[in-house]
Amino acid sequence: QLQLQESGSGLVKPSQTLSLTCAVSGGSISSAGYSWSWIRQPPGKGLEWIGYLYHTGSTYYNPSLKSRVTISVDRSKNQFSLMVTTVTAADTAVYYCARGRASYYYFDFWGQGTLVTVSS
Amino acid sequence: EIVLTQSPGTLSLSPGERATLSCSASQSSSFLAWYQQKPGQAPRLLIYNASTRATGIPDRFSGSGSGTDFTLTISRLEPEDSAVFYCQLYSSSQWTFGQGTKVEIK
Repeated sequence: QLQLQESGSGLVKPSQTLSLTCAVSGGSISSAGYSWSWIRQPPGKGLEWIGYLYHTGSTYYNPSLKSRVTISVDRSKNQFSLMVTTVTAADTAVYYCARGRASYYYFDFWGQGTLVTVSS
Repeated sequence: EIVLTQSPGTLSLSPGERATLSCSASQSSSFLAWYQQKPGQAPRLLIYNASTRATGIPDRFSGSGSGTDFTLTISRLEPEDSAVFYCQLYSSSQWTFGQGTKVEIK
């Protein structure tokens, strides 16, 4: 069974960089036909797709966040990462990593989520 | 930018009743999915390609629609169906979620 587990800094100061990692087990991040996304949810609000990494290494980002976001992969560790620069309180959210199915474009496996709070 | 509008915002129904949730998109796409999210949990995939049930999803959940208008129907509500339901659409390498419909069981 595929499992995803987020980890990283839970408290980030304004203007600094948020960094999270998603460890994938039970399957390879390099398997064809899948993408690997980051999705966030501010407290009490809805879901926002941040960006994704395709199995080829290509990345695509939400235009509203593109200037501040980088998604990268470490195939040796079977994990992918998220960096968001110059954070503000508006970036406070539960951050999820999720697997997407290519050709069908839905998210079938999700991590449990990790809360990141932006505060001084 | 694609906009997804879900209605109603909240639905309050009794066990055994039928729930009808709507999702309207500003652009046409066939890649529409529905998720259920309970408090403190990650979303769970219910429906993809507008009408295909995901593995292990009870048949009381069904999806329909095409183009820009989609519907999630829960035929006979059970107490454990209390949750927020989100639609999600894919187009041109971008994913968008609706704002959610909260289903309350009386």
